[in-house]
Amino acid sequence: DAGVIQSPRHEVTEMGQEVTLRCKPISGHNSLFWYRQTMMRGLELLIYFNNNVPIDDSGMPEDRFSAKMPNASFSTLKIQPSEPRDSAVYFCASGYEQFFGPGTRLTVL
Amino acid sequence: GNSVTQMEGPVTLSEEAFLTINCTYTATGYPSLFWYVQYPGEGLQLLLKATKADDKGSNKGFEATYRKETTSFHLEKGSVQVSDSAVYFCALIPRSASKIIFGSGTRLSIRP
Repeated sequence: DAGVIQSPRHEVTEMGQEVTLRCKPISGHNSLFWYRQTMMRGLELLIYFNNNVPIDDSGMPEDRFSAKMPNASFSTLKIQPSEPRDSAVYFCASGYEQFFGPGTRLTVL
Repeated sequence: GNSVTQMEGPVTLSEEAFLTINCTYTATGYPSLFWYVQYPGEGLQLLLKATKADDKGSNKGFEATYRKETTSFHLEKGSVQVSDSAVYFCALIPRSASKIIFGSGTRLSIRP
């Protein structure tokens, strides 16, 4: 298995632009998690899905953030409009034991 | 509520030194306990786990024992290497939940 796949690995965008991060979980895993990691705030859980259904989105910082999981093999995290304070590494993880992807490093100028 | 507390870093040791990173938890019931490691530029990786009291998880020379009486899950290694330099996260999953609770992480640096 290729593990959790995230794309893009790096994203540089300008303030106000829409950003879409993508995740392909490990086949057979029923749960999927989106995290954000920064030096200041550490590792934060944004949202998690179970069987494609959002279970807890209490960590989503504000309405500019949205996440979808249209099927068991794909999820997106969208930021619209993006702001410089959204700059971070965004991780996707799947499965009960949290298999992490390599992350997307987002820089908003 | 459920929470994990781990020792503040950074921790700096010389190669071949003995390592302990303390972790204590608060949880209702009997959670599953985990240690994750994050190498620079990578995501977190599961290092070891324990699912019930007195279980010992081990991997790559690292060990941790689930101590219910002290609500602890301290990470130990007898002889660290430069390649062990990373950030280590202690975590728990409550028995009745699927959401993992991470500690704040401890950065470990090993000098040659």
